[in-house]
Amino acid sequence: DTAVSQTPKYLVTQMGNDKSIKCEQNLGHDTMYWYKQDSKKFLKIMFSYNNKELIINETVPNRFSPKSPDKAHLNLHINSLELGDSAVYFCASSQGLGLASGFQETQYFGPGTRLLVL
Amino acid sequence: SQQGEEDPQALSIQEGENATMNCSYKTSINNLQWYRQNSGRGLVHLILIRSNEREKHSGRLRVTLDTSKKSSSLLITASRAADTASYFCATASGGGSARQLTFGSGTQLTVLP
Repeated sequence: DTAVSQTPKYLVTQMGNDKSIKCEQNLGHDTMYWYKQDSKKFLKIMFSYNNKELIINETVPNRFSPKSPDKAHLNLHINSLELGDSAVYFCASSQGLGLASGFQETQYFGPGTRLLVL
Repeated sequence: SQQGEEDPQALSIQEGENATMNCSYKTSINNLQWYRQNSGRGLVHLILIRSNEREKHSGRLRVTLDTSKKSSSLLITASRAADTASYFCATASGGGSARQLTFGSGTQLTVLP
């Protein structure tokens, strides 16, 4: 049973296209994240959602728009794809952010989506 | 800016040897975590050490934290070929809903059989 799943696993597309990556977690976690990992394996947070509410929005082009229809899903839509968007995108989730939740900070990662923009 | 930086970037050892990886960071933290990433896979949490702890063990893993030097080390004892992976440290900083993890660029460990 996959805890954090992402689709698609691979995405090859042309520059200028619009694409979406979907993420779902079945752990009952309150918080979900999107990370970008570049070719040098540097992992950088892009967004964080807590109970469907945007919490962290790092310096990311506004071509990237996260959408959380419910707390188990956090999708990433990318408009007008550019060559520099090629990377591996990871979704992750964690139990919660507040002290009341016991502050469970371990993050559980999905398998990644390998995006190649041609 | 990148918070955690691992050292070395790559490490190659023989099976049975110990592997030590180091992580340095720049600002104050709430906790520091180590993650492992097998080739082509997502990251898997290994161990978390809080800022008021100095050492923690989990199986063959030993983590130390020196907040005065802003550094941590991960020791894997009696390494196995299956330990071959990239290892990342991640620092947790910020308060409340602004809490987030900042990852370093990782150490690529290769354990030769």
